[in-house]
Amino acid sequence: DAGITQSPRHKVTETGTPVTLRCHQTENHRYMYWYRQDPGHGLRLIHYSYGVKDTDKGEVSDGYSVSRSKTEDFLLTLESATSSQTSVYFCAISRDRYEQYFGPGTRLTVT
Amino acid sequence: AQSVSQHNHHVILSEAASLELGCNYSYGGTVNLFWYVQYPGQHLQLLLKYFSGDPLVKGIKGFEAEFIKSKFSFNLRKPSVQWSDTAEYFCAVFTGTASKLTFGTGTRLQVTL
Repeated sequence: DAGITQSPRHKVTETGTPVTLRCHQTENHRYMYWYRQDPGHGLRLIHYSYGVKDTDKGEVSDGYSVSRSKTEDFLLTLESATSSQTSVYFCAISRDRYEQYFGPGTRLTVT
Repeated sequence: AQSVSQHNHHVILSEAASLELGCNYSYGGTVNLFWYVQYPGQHLQLLLKYFSGDPLVKGIKGFEAEFIKSKFSFNLRKPSVQWSDTAEYFCAVFTGTASKLTFGTGTRLQVTL
């Protein structure tokens, strides 16, 4: 398995609170991605990064921001969590954009 | 915008039955195609991929997929499923235009003993 870790693995938070999820890789891959997985929707891209400090929006970016200050770390922040952001969040990495390798996921519940 | 359709949402098979899961995409240009598998409680793992060349690609655990360009399809097959194949299967398409993977909504496969 690719060297990807996500933290925390589980989190319960209240509506309106800020939340930051961390993705850490040891593969030195250029590309990193954040997806959310919801029943009936598959995986949807939130944001992605194509290098340090280089990020772009995905199809469901509203309410989320990201930062990448180091090659190995990609942070996803929910500035003010809402119940609609209850989901499982997966980080993925890629050397060349095509093949992506996924982390173990973070289950986030917003009450 | 490109899209990926997996028409089978939930498939139930007995062990040793043959499997075919459908995947269709909407994009007329060059595509790279993938199947990922997600076992219960786990992350997605790459099952197989098609970039170019032989349209019949073989992946891990006895799975294969056939790219039929004229039908915009990339169906996943396995001659004889095992109970351990119980999982959710996702088809994904990468195009240069979008520069990202687009996933289908997934097919949940349940294999009974």
